[in-house]
Amino acid sequence: KNQVEQSPQSLIILEGKNCTLQCNYTVSPFSNLRWYKQDTGRGPVSLTIMTFSENTKSNGRYTATLDADTKQSSLHITASQLSDSASYICVVSGRPGGSYIPTFGRGTSLIVHP
Amino acid sequence: SAVISQKPSRDICQRGTSLTIQCQVDSQVTMMFWYRQQPGQSLTLIATANQGSEATYESGFVIDKFPISRPNLTFSTLTVSNMSPEDSSIYLCSVEGGGSRSYTFGSGTRLTVV
Repeated sequence: KNQVEQSPQSLIILEGKNCTLQCNYTVSPFSNLRWYKQDTGRGPVSLTIMTFSENTKSNGRYTATLDADTKQSSLHITASQLSDSASYICVVSGRPGGSYIPTFGRGTSLIVHP
Repeated sequence: SAVISQKPSRDICQRGTSLTIQCQVDSQVTMMFWYRQQPGQSLTLIATANQGSEATYESGFVIDKFPISRPNLTFSTLTVSNMSPEDSSIYLCSVEGGGSRSYTFGSGTRLTVV
């Protein structure tokens, strides 16, 4: 069964600090992995997308890494801001090419305090 | 990437009634997806809506409860029928981003059934 597990479930940090969110998956065959940011009451917004051959991708203060051998990914947030408070969702797709149905993690709820 | 306009953004409904959620995309897309996100949970796919054919429902979701329309390549509706408090969730539509391989989501509809 395809699964995506995220940790921690929730995280509280102070503004300006860095943090790292984890994602482990069992989706096979693997096509791509995406990280989304979901503000409360809003739809998810794409941060990064990585395929099998990519092991790092940056988007501003967000850097995602991927280890396809161990089926792990991380999302590192640098110099956190209050606006980073949101849920971060790891999404893995397993069917290469064309349209496919992704598997969603439950998300990590990040709270950034001033 | 595509821009999706989803409405209503929120509603409070009486049990036994129905609510229709609309999603309008600013470009033509082949497939649209409808998701449900219950509190503290990940996104669960309800169905895939293809233009000109019946929607494809995932296990646990049936057409009588969640009828879907897809009259053209830029528009879709999801109806939540005969609602009960257990239907209280966020409902999201999504389209695949073609060459970007990413999914774009609507802003979501927060439904509360009382």
